[in-house]
Parts: sequence; structure tokens; C-alpha cells
Amino acid sequence: NAGVTQTPKFRILKIGQSMTLQCTQDMNHNYMYWYRQDPGMGLKLIYYSVGAGITDKGEVPNGYNVSRSTTEDFPLRLELAAPSQTSVYFCASSYSRGGGDIQYFGAGTRLSVL
Amino acid sequence: DQQVKQNSPSLSVQEGRISILNCDYTNSMFDYFLWYKKYPAEGPTFLISISSIKDKNEDGRFTVFLNKSAKHLSLHIVPSQPGDSAVYFCAANNAGNNRKLIWGLGTSLAVNP
Repeated sequence: NAGVTQTPKFRILKIGQSMTLQCTQDMNHNYMYWYRQDPGMGLKLIYYSVGAGITDKGEVPNGYNVSRSTTEDFPLRLELAAPSQTSVYFCASSYSRGGGDIQYFGAGTRLSVL
Repeated sequence: DQQVKQNSPSLSVQEGRISILNCDYTNSMFDYFLWYKKYPAEGPTFLISISSIKDKNEDGRFTVFLNKSAKHLSLHIVPSQPGDSAVYFCAANNAGNNRKLIWGLGTSLAVNP
């Protein structure tokens, strides 16, 4: 049971380059999320999706874009990488269960922008 | 504007003793609280949760207590084991907020053999 899979695990980008962080889940969850975690900080929500074709901004969306064409996949796009985007990125998914939703996380992508 | 606060960045306890991790919140609309555990180079994993209609939830060695009047919750780990050494995040949810979680900054727990 794979759960939430993120690729790549590590990446170094030069300023101004672009890349896509991949996220896929095999649990048929309708909700998906992208977070970033900076050193010594908590998780900041970048974007989230409540289902295929529906996305919305979180706390820190600037410099990122997302799409959700299928239930399984929720890629995060960085168009013009900046040093401020150096961080660890986590993708998560959850399903609505009538109470608090438990989010299931991938292992993360560690990104450095130099 | 930190709505969920974990005021202790780190905690060190002896193996076999109790670990108590604290979390305070400011938003009275939060109706569900969760604790996650995170090892280095891994994503957070769900540990235990509590609804705002309860004041205690227990799962094996882990117990979460909620004091709504004080807007405070705590996670008790008894007995603590070296494998419990990790960063623990408190998170809160408002069902009216599209199920988004608001996260604390985490407490790093070290359990010493």
C-alpha cells in the first residue's frame, strides 16, 4: 500500500528555473494539500484541492501553481524559482469522514534554490 | 498570528517516564484537534485526535487531554520509549474552514535511554 508518493525526493534548482513536484495517492481521497516546511517552522499550506478540477489557495500560494485533473494526482508547479522557495515540500491527502479529517503525508521533497 | 501554539520547542525525558507535550489555541471555533509525529526525512504521521465534545482520548501509551475553557490540550506519552523521539505537531481543524488544518510549530521530544 503506497499511500501518498512524492517525486523527486531531492532537487537543486538554479534561480529562475522551473520544475514540477509530483504527488500521487492511491487511497481515492478527495482532498489533497501541498505544504512547505521551513527550518524550525510548522507547516504552511500552499494550495489545496477538494476534488478533481477544484483547487484553492492556502496561506502562501505566491510563486506556485497547481492543477488537479484526476483524483490521484496533484502536481505543484514552480515557475521561476527563487531562493525563498528553498524548503521541504509535503503533499497530503484526506477524505471527509464526518469529523476531523486525518491527513496522510508523503515523505517530502527537499528543494534547494541556489 | 499563530492560532495554534506549541510554546516548548524541545523536551527531554528519561525512558520509562511520562512525556507531556502542550498546545494552546486561540480560535474557539476549532472543533477537532490532532497530534502528528514526524521523524527526520519523513512526512508527518497521524498519532491521535480529539473532538471538542470530549475532554480525553486514549490510544495505548498516548492520551490527549482537552481543556476547552483554557483553550489548551496536552499529549501524554506513558511510558516514554526511545523510539518516541521525534517532532510532535499539534494541529486544529474547523469544519467550516474546508477541513484545512492549522499547525503549531512543533515540539522536539528526546527520550533518553
